[in-house]
This record gives sequence, structure tokens and C-alpha cells, in this order.
Amino acid sequence: GAVVSQHPSRVICKSGTSVKIECRSLDFQATTMFWYRQFPKQSLMLMATSNEGSKATYEQGVEKDKFLINHASLTLSTLTVTSAHPEDSSFYICSASTPRVVSTDTQYFGPGTRLTVL
Amino acid sequence: GDSVTQMEGPVTLSEEAFLTINCTYTATGYPSLFWYVQYPGEGLQLLLKATKADDKGSNKGFEATYRKETTSFHLEKGSVQVSDSAVYFCALSDNTGKLIFGQGTTLQVKP
Repeated sequence: GAVVSQHPSRVICKSGTSVKIECRSLDFQATTMFWYRQFPKQSLMLMATSNEGSKATYEQGVEKDKFLINHASLTLSTLTVTSAHPEDSSFYICSASTPRVVSTDTQYFGPGTRLTVL
Repeated sequence: GDSVTQMEGPVTLSEEAFLTINCTYTATGYPSLFWYVQYPGEGLQLLLKATKADDKGSNKGFEATYRKETTSFHLEKGSVQVSDSAVYFCALSDNTGKLIFGQGTTLQVKP
């Protein structure tokens, strides 16, 4: 149980285009989903926290107009990188948590999406 | 703010050697503590967790004890295998549910 999928696993796009990444909880309902960015050989940096039916909360320094997050249902959250540039190339990872006490609960991670902007 | 510090890697061990990866944290409240593992080409998987002081998390031969007095959560395994080669992340969860990760430690186990 507690499987999270991401689609696509890899995407290559041209500079200036927009890319949408989907994150789905396959066998549980996730009231909260998180989006992370991981640079090569570095740790995960939280970008935003997404609660179903409400606006995402972005971490300091993350441009909310560039990284659009939608959490329209209890099993789906999307991250759209708008007007992508080469510096946006990275590994994007989502996670989901179940609707229990959030502070002690476990986040279940998707396999990640490798974005390359040419 | 809250933070997690892990020992720098890479750590290279021979098969059946004893493993310790140090992790210390700073937090204003009473966080839950986690170890996640990332195998090559895969996403993060929860390895073990502990939610309060003196709790011991264990899984697949790995153990870590939540030490409030030393603010530590060191990961140990008595006998590593080649298949344990991966990147290990220590993390804490604050009272908002956010995970704060350490920088990760790469473990390479040689036959």
C-alpha cells in the first residue's frame, strides 16, 4: 500500500515552454502533498505544500507564478513549470501524506520526474 | 530554524562490515525523525522512523534510536550487503508536517 506515482518520469522541453508534472496517490487519499526539488548529489528542498481544495503554500524563494501547483482531488496534485528555462532543469519529487496526525505521519514519495530544459 | 546534519560521505565499506551513519538535529519542538533511502534511479523510500524520545526504529536490519539528550538519530546496521548501496537521508518532521532533510550520505558496499 501507500504507492505514489509521478508522470512523466522524464521530460525534455525547449526553453520558454511549460511542463506539467502529475503526482497521484494510487491506493490512499492524500489531503496533503508536497513538492520537492533535488539537485544532483544534493538533498531535497521543499518547494511547496499542497492541501486538497486550497491554495498551495510556497517556501521562501520559490516563485509561485513560475511553479503552479494544483491539488484538485484527494489523489492528484500537479506541478506546472511555466516558461521553463535551463536553470529549471532538475529532479522534481512529490510526496503524499494520509489524513492522520500530520506531524507524526509518514510521507510517501513518488519516483520523481527528471526535467531537462534545452 | 530546524535543521538536520548528516556525516559527509561517501562511505565505502566491505560486505558484512558494521555501518554507522551519524545524524544530529536541531529543533524547537518535538519532531518525528526519519531515515529515508534512495536506491540508484529510484525515489525515496521510508526506511524507519521514531516519533518520540528513546523510541527505536528498525527495518531490514537497520536501527536508529531517538536520543533527545544528544539530539541524534544515528543509523546502524550490523552487517551490510552490496544491495544496501544507496543514498541515505536523515530527516525530521516539524509540527506542520514538513520534512527537513539532511544532505544525504552515499553508501557504497563492495563485495
